[in-house]
Amino acid sequence: GAVVSQHPSWVICKSGTSVKIECRSLDFQATTMFWYRQFPKQSLMLMATSNEGSKATYEQGVEKDKFLINHASLTLSTLTVTSAHPEDSSFYICSAIAPTDTQYFGPGTRLTVL
Amino acid sequence: AQSVTQLDSHVSVSEGTPVLLRCNYSSSYSPSLFWYVQHPNKGLQLLLKYTSAATLVKGINGFEAEFKKSETSFHLTKPSAHMSDAAEYFCVVSYGGTGRRALTFGSGTRLQVQP
Repeated sequence: GAVVSQHPSWVICKSGTSVKIECRSLDFQATTMFWYRQFPKQSLMLMATSNEGSKATYEQGVEKDKFLINHASLTLSTLTVTSAHPEDSSFYICSAIAPTDTQYFGPGTRLTVL
Repeated sequence: AQSVTQLDSHVSVSEGTPVLLRCNYSSSYSPSLFWYVQHPNKGLQLLLKYTSAATLVKGINGFEAEFKKSETSFHLTKPSAHMSDAAEYFCVVSYGGTGRRALTFGSGTRLQVQP
C-alpha cells in the first residue's frame, strides 16, 4: 500500500527555536497534503491544507506565521514551527491524498519544547 | 458543519467476545465515513471506509461497519476480540467526496481487551 513518511519521528528543542518537520509520499504524487495536531489522549485536529505550488489554507485559530507550511514538490510538504514554545509540544501528523482518493497518514512527529 | 460523535471514550471487552464501537455523524449529503485505528507509537491505519456503495462494509482484521442512514450511525463491530485489537479507534467523516477533503475525526474510543 501507499506509504507516507515523516521526519523526524521525535524532536526536542529549546523554547524560541524553530523546528522543521517533513512529510513525504514515498510511492505516489500528492497535490494535497494535510497537517493535523494531536494532543495527548485527544483526537486529531486539522491545522492546514497544503497544496503543491500554492499557499497553504489554515484552519481558524491556527497562526500561519507560526506554523509555516511549504509544499514545494508533489512528494514533499514541510511544517516549520517557528519560535517554538512549550504549548506547541504535541504530536503532529500529516496525510497525503493518493490518486485513488484515499488519504494515507504518516507515523507522526512528537515535538517536545523545553 | 460536519461532525462525528463517538459515544464511548473507553470500551473494555474480554478476549474472544464481540466488539461494538459506536459512532454517529451529523446528517448531510453523501458523507464518506471511515474507521481508523491508532496503535501506541504507530501511525493511523485505515480499517474500512464507506463511500455510498454497500451499506455493510468489511474491513481488515475481521472488522466491519454498517452505515444506517435512518439512524445516522456507522458503528464498528468485530465478532471476536483479540488482544492485538487493543488500540485507539477513530470514526471519521468527510463530505463532498472521498479522500480529497480534510477529514473530521471523532474524539476516539480506547478499546481495552482483557485476557
